[in-house]
Parts: sequence; C-alpha cells; structure tokens
Amino acid sequence: GENVEQHPSTLSVQEGDSAVIKCTYSDSASNYFPWYKQELGKGPQLIIDIRSNVGEKKDQRIAVTLNKTAKHFSLHITETQPEDSAVYFCAASYGTSGSARQLTFGSGTQLTVLP
Amino acid sequence: DAMVIQNPRYQVTQFGKPVTLSCSQTLNHNVMYWYQQKSSQAPKLLFHYYDKDFNNEADTPDNFQSRRPNTSFCFLDIRSPGLGDAAMYLCATSSYGYTFGSGTRLTVV
Repeated sequence: GENVEQHPSTLSVQEGDSAVIKCTYSDSASNYFPWYKQELGKGPQLIIDIRSNVGEKKDQRIAVTLNKTAKHFSLHITETQPEDSAVYFCAASYGTSGSARQLTFGSGTQLTVLP
Repeated sequence: DAMVIQNPRYQVTQFGKPVTLSCSQTLNHNVMYWYQQKSSQAPKLLFHYYDKDFNNEADTPDNFQSRRPNTSFCFLDIRSPGLGDAAMYLCATSSYGYTFGSGTRLTVV
C-alpha cells in the first residue's frame, strides 16, 4: 500500500518568513496530492491540492510543487502570519473522478508562526 | 454554506453505552468516509460507502458499524465504546477531491 512520510514534525518561523513542508510517497500510481490545514478542535481543511499531471500550483501565499520522478511534493507558505499556525497534513491517493479513493496521510507538521 | 455537516460537535458517552454520530452532505457525492483521529495523529480510515456499497478497512474493530440510508446521510455507530475509542471522528465525501466535516469529538467516561 501507499506510505507517506512528512517532515518536519514541528516547524517554527518568524512572521513574514517562508515555511516549507516536505512529503514523500511510495506508490507511483498515486495521482492526487492534497494538503490540509487543521486547527485545534476542527476538521482538516483543504488548502491546496495538485494532480500528477501538474508540476506546480499556486494560490496567493501558498504553493505546492510535485516531483513525480522523485516521488515527493512540498508545501510552500510565503509571508507567514500568526493565523497560519496549525497542523498541516499532506496526503496521497489514487483514483478517478467519482470513484472511492483512500487518502494516505503524512504524520503532520505543527507549524508555529512567531509574531 | 457548510457542505459536510457533522452532529453533534461534542459527544460524551458512558463506557459501554452505544452511541451514534451523524453526518450529512449537500454535495451529492457518491462516496462517504468515516475517519478516526486521535490526539496528535493523522486521520485513520475506518470505512467508506460507495453509494450503498459498504467497504470496511481490515483493521477496523467490529465495535464500529455504519449505516447510509440515502445519499445525503451517513451514521457511525459505536456499539460498546471503550476508553480507547475517545477521539475525533471525521466524516468526508469525495467526488475527485475530498471534503471533510468539522468532526465530532467523542469523550468516553
């Protein structure tokens, strides 16, 4: 089955600096890679995702890059703000639109943005 | 605007007393999932429905059951909750991407 490793487990940055979280996956058939932000006591919220036919995707301060050859993908947050502080999970899955797909999650990264 | 709604947000149950958690969706997605998330851990898939077709994960205890009476609703039944079942329970739906609900925090006393 799929295995996703996520690093680092904790990350502290100064407000305004960039944060990078990295994940590797094992199953070359995986084709969908979402990133979730989870605040304390809440469910995971999708912040960005990327599909295997794309190498990079950007949404304002957030970007994700995917290297299919090396089987790794990364989350980049620029100009960090205190409200970015949360646990971030990467995930990988295989499937097609409308089909059931099991997400395999990384172990999570606790991001703390220091004011 | 909530698309995957879980009720209640917080549930306290007694050890061994059956409890049901509910989930509804307005997305008309044909797949619904239940995940268990313990403190400081990643969500763990318990089972999912593809339409009415139920798919149980191999390591999901028999204590956990699920019902999906129609496309919009899905229930998680815990027949005899133990202290180790205290966790956040997350419902999700998918078409291509996943949408999670806000979760139900279960406490067993």
